[in-house]
Amino acid sequence: NAGVMQNPRHLVRRRGQEARLRCSPMKGHSHVYWYRQLPEEGLKFMVYLQKENIIDESGMPKERFSAEFPKEGPSILRIQQVVRGDSAAYFCASSPMGWMDQYFGPGTRLLVL
Amino acid sequence: SQQGEEDPQALSIQEGENATMNCSYKTSINNLQWYRQNSGRGLVHLILIRSNEREKHSGRLRVTLDTSKKSSSLLITASRAADTASYFCATDALGAQKLVFGQGTRLTINP
Repeated sequence: NAGVMQNPRHLVRRRGQEARLRCSPMKGHSHVYWYRQLPEEGLKFMVYLQKENIIDESGMPKERFSAEFPKEGPSILRIQQVVRGDSAAYFCASSPMGWMDQYFGPGTRLLVL
Repeated sequence: SQQGEEDPQALSIQEGENATMNCSYKTSINNLQWYRQNSGRGLVHLILIRSNEREKHSGRLRVTLDTSKKSSSLLITASRAADTASYFCATDALGAQKLVFGQGTRLTINP
């Protein structure tokens, strides 16, 4: 059973471009969480999704950020018109049941030039 | 605001010594978890302690929880070079369906 997969592992974008980060949960997991980690800091919750539904997006910036978890395929975190402050590691976690039992992916490191 | 705060922010010890990290939080919780993150990698779950538990062991790890002080400690005994990593506590506040992480403790084990 493969773990949580994230791709790309590293992503470089210029200011104003779009970034798409993908997360494939573990088999049988229908809960997905996205976190952002700035250098030397802990993870900050962004959004919690179940299949086709956003459950909690209280940690998402109001503009430029969106997330989806379609019925088929990976969860996508989309950042439009990236700025330098978006540079961070973005982690996805999946769970079979909910927030208590989360398995983390290796992360996508986004660098905005 | 951040729920968990780890102390110290950085800790450097000799191999074989014990390492103790502390975590404080602000609101009532259901559970507290500890994670390890090696440099440039994802998080690995270490141990979960429920709010009605006071102490838990897993191999060389010992976690305590004091809900009256809203604090937890992670003890790693007989440390090894491979224990070098950042350690984070994460809490789930009552009624909240998400984890809130602390800033982490960067642990360095010197050979």
